[in-house]
Amino acid sequence: NAGVTQTPKFQVLKTGQSMTLQCAQDMNHNSMYWYRQDPGMGLRLIYYSASEGTTDKGEVPNGYNVSRLNKREFSLRLESAAPSQTSVYFCASRDPGGQETQYFGPGTRLLVL
Amino acid sequence: QKEVEQDPGPLSVPEGAIVSLNCTYSNSAFQYFMWYRQYSRKGPELLMYTYSSGNKEDGRFTAQVDKSSKYISLFIRDSQPSDSATYLCAIWLSSGSARQLTFGSGTQLTVLP
Repeated sequence: NAGVTQTPKFQVLKTGQSMTLQCAQDMNHNSMYWYRQDPGMGLRLIYYSASEGTTDKGEVPNGYNVSRLNKREFSLRLESAAPSQTSVYFCASRDPGGQETQYFGPGTRLLVL
Repeated sequence: QKEVEQDPGPLSVPEGAIVSLNCTYSNSAFQYFMWYRQYSRKGPELLMYTYSSGNKEDGRFTAQVDKSSKYISLFIRDSQPSDSATYLCAIWLSSGSARQLTFGSGTQLTVLP
């Protein structure tokens, strides 16, 4: 049971390049989330997927797209990277049980030059 | 005004000290209150969870919620160097089927041996 996995761990992009961050969970959770974490800003929600086939915008969706490929996988795409998207990106999935726990992946560090 | 405000720290204490970490929130509709711990270069992990005013204890950790003041706290007794991490308060607002977490900006704690 690997929990939530993310690839890549670290990426450097040039302004204008595109890339996809991958996330997968093996806990059979319905809901999945993408966050970004910046110094002094905490975790901010980019997009979420309440269930397979549905996605919704969070607090900071501009410049990003997502795909809920199946129940396990939820990817985040940057179509044209900007320096403002330099951040650490975390994927999470939610346990629908009593404590509503979100389980986080190890993160992807992205640097946009 | 942010929905959740957290003392940013950093906070440095000697081993064995009692640590107090605090957050305030603005939306009285918030229902569930959590504390996440994040070690350096790792994803956050759930530490404590509560949904009512009062105290909840788990070993050396006590979570306290005062809904009338919109104030939440985490106390760590007999702090250890292994407690050195960033602590994030998180509050859950049920919104349709999404159930989004709103995070504080995090307090970085260092416990000195």
